[in-house]
Amino acid sequence: AQTVTQSQPEMSVQEAETVTLSCTYDTSESDYYLFWYKQPPSRQMILVIRQEAYKQQNATENRFSVNFQKAAKSFSLKISDSQLGDAAMYFCAYRGASGTYKYIFGTGTRLKVLA
Amino acid sequence: DTEVTQTPKHLVMGMTNKKSLKCEQHMGHRAMYWYKQKAKKPPELMFVYSYEKLSINESVPSRFSPECPNSSLLNLHLHALQPEDSALYLCASSQGDGSRANVLTFGAGSRLTVL
Repeated sequence: AQTVTQSQPEMSVQEAETVTLSCTYDTSESDYYLFWYKQPPSRQMILVIRQEAYKQQNATENRFSVNFQKAAKSFSLKISDSQLGDAAMYFCAYRGASGTYKYIFGTGTRLKVLA
Repeated sequence: DTEVTQTPKHLVMGMTNKKSLKCEQHMGHRAMYWYKQKAKKPPELMFVYSYEKLSINESVPSRFSPECPNSSLLNLHLHALQPEDSALYLCASSQGDGSRANVLTFGAGSRLTVL
């Protein structure tokens, strides 16, 4: 069975600084998708960034980028120039590519942004 | 329209009540999901409908009854709930099976309190 591990329950970052959130996963599948979702307090969960396992190039979305290490089964999220609005719970998620509807979520990392 | 709309936002019910949660999307997504989320925890999958057919039931107690009247609507009927069922109930949708763009789009959630 696939598992997703987020070993950092909570992280803090100073405004305008850079922070990296860790995610590791375990799977025997060769093709899959990885996601980072953001859930601000009392607000809805939104997609931050997505990575397809067959793509070697790391995904980037503006200030958000990932470091995808397929062999190490690692998928970390880097947030550059952190803003107060980045404060949220961040969930790493895995989905196999074989037509499944099951997304495996990590336990989440709460990010605090300090002014 | 890129939204998933959930109603009501808040619901308080007694253990003998019958109530329903409603979810609607007009993005043409053919997969719709119900998740349960406790505070500071990741979402837990409850049900998935694919092309209006129940595809996944994660061994959810029968006091939760899903319904998918059409491709845009998803309901969750609640009856004889327990206090431990109090949680945030999230609806999500995604493109149908086979699409590589299977990103989950979440609603804002219905916060349920069972007295």
